[in-house]
Amino acid sequence: EAQVTQNPRYLITVTGKKLTVTCSQNMNHEYMSWYRQDPGLGLRQIYYSMNVEVTDKGDVPEGYKVSRKEKRNFPLILESPSPNQTSLYFCASALGTGGGTEAFFGQGTRLTVV
Amino acid sequence: GIQVEQSPPDLILQEGANSTLRCNFSDSVNNLQWFHQNPWGQLINLFYIPSGTKQNGRLSATTVATERYSLLYISSSQTTDSGVYFCAVRNQGGKLIFGQGTELSVKP
Repeated sequence: EAQVTQNPRYLITVTGKKLTVTCSQNMNHEYMSWYRQDPGLGLRQIYYSMNVEVTDKGDVPEGYKVSRKEKRNFPLILESPSPNQTSLYFCASALGTGGGTEAFFGQGTRLTVV
Repeated sequence: GIQVEQSPPDLILQEGANSTLRCNFSDSVNNLQWFHQNPWGQLINLFYIPSGTKQNGRLSATTVATERYSLLYISSSQTTDSGVYFCAVRNQGGKLIFGQGTELSVKP
């Protein structure tokens, strides 16, 4: 089954404790990205990747890191989480950036930083 | 940049009723999608519909790209249809631009 898989689904952590949210897709998609969703602010892009070893900042990259060592995986790293990073996070992938390419989302990760 | 606007922002229906949700976008695009965010927060792909009409069960969607709008039709609504419906388009860099959503509540 074609899918984007995120883990974990739910996470409660403490301020400053490094964490990684994993994202994997099995559709051989080149384009992958991370979004966060907050009440009143909608979905905002954090980072994106056009292909292996090619990543770039989205609209709200502060406090996050990403890597794209393999085509299928695009982990989101919070080196020193803070309470303002409490949010619902989504990973998405698409075949490319052009028209004719549908985007698919993971199940979401609900992160709470206390 | 591209602007995406949805209407109405909120909708309350009785089970069995029909509804139409609208999405307007500011620039020519060829990649409009509709999503349903269920009460558990998951974003479910409903339609990838750059133009034309598609149907999937009780749901159908129409995009008129030349007039920059898309419509999502829900017929014979069920309580499981509750949640937030988003339309989104991708800009040239691949980023999804979302509308603010329509929050649908279907009452039994």
